[in-house]
Amino acid sequence: AQKVTQAQTEISVVEKEDVTLDCVYETRDTTYYLFWYKQPPSGELVFLIRRNSFDEQNEISGRYSWNFQKSTSSFNFTITASQVVDSAVYFCALSEVSSNYQLIWGAGTKLIIKP
Amino acid sequence: DTGVSQNPRHKITKRGQNVTFRCDPISEHNRLYWYRQTLGQGPEFLTYFQNEAQLEKSRLLSDRFSAERPKGSFSTLEIQRTEQGDSAMYLCASRLAGRSTDTQYFGPGTRLTVL
Repeated sequence: AQKVTQAQTEISVVEKEDVTLDCVYETRDTTYYLFWYKQPPSGELVFLIRRNSFDEQNEISGRYSWNFQKSTSSFNFTITASQVVDSAVYFCALSEVSSNYQLIWGAGTKLIIKP
Repeated sequence: DTGVSQNPRHKITKRGQNVTFRCDPISEHNRLYWYRQTLGQGPEFLTYFQNEAQLEKSRLLSDRFSAERPKGSFSTLEIQRTEQGDSAMYLCASRLAGRSTDTQYFGPGTRLTVL
């Protein structure tokens, strides 16, 4: 069974629209970490955020916000007022104590922002 | 620039040739990871080091692949007798284990094309 599911393969929106990328995870650990990375066309994986399992407080960073809900095992990512430069593939990842903190990756969501 | 660096950025080789990639982690990061990523997929874990010790290898890492981190700083990944199926992006990441900030930072990757 997939441990990290990003059900949206590709999303296309027009610039300035808000967009939410979904991430659902599965783990039996009580201590774990969740991550979002951005991969622009250049290929480099850029770290966006890390959240530990004991901190359900939502976070906002500029136009980016993250909604962590343990009750639904979700860690969704919202971009407000999207821009063309946000176009990239976004990966959600999980690391668990039981897996020695190896990153378990979702399949990624390709986000296309049209001008 | 104090981020993770990788060289070369691109490598084109003929089937059967050997190739070697280098990764320089963030200074003082004791853990170093190698991943492989093919088009449209998330990164696949290959191996990781804690200092100079190679602690885990994926079953994806065939006998033709070898990685070293001789002095606990930079690492090399060698592929012998390359095959067309080896064509992929090879990503390196580093992190400082033992701290609460369990985040891997990635380099720009080496894109390998085997003709």
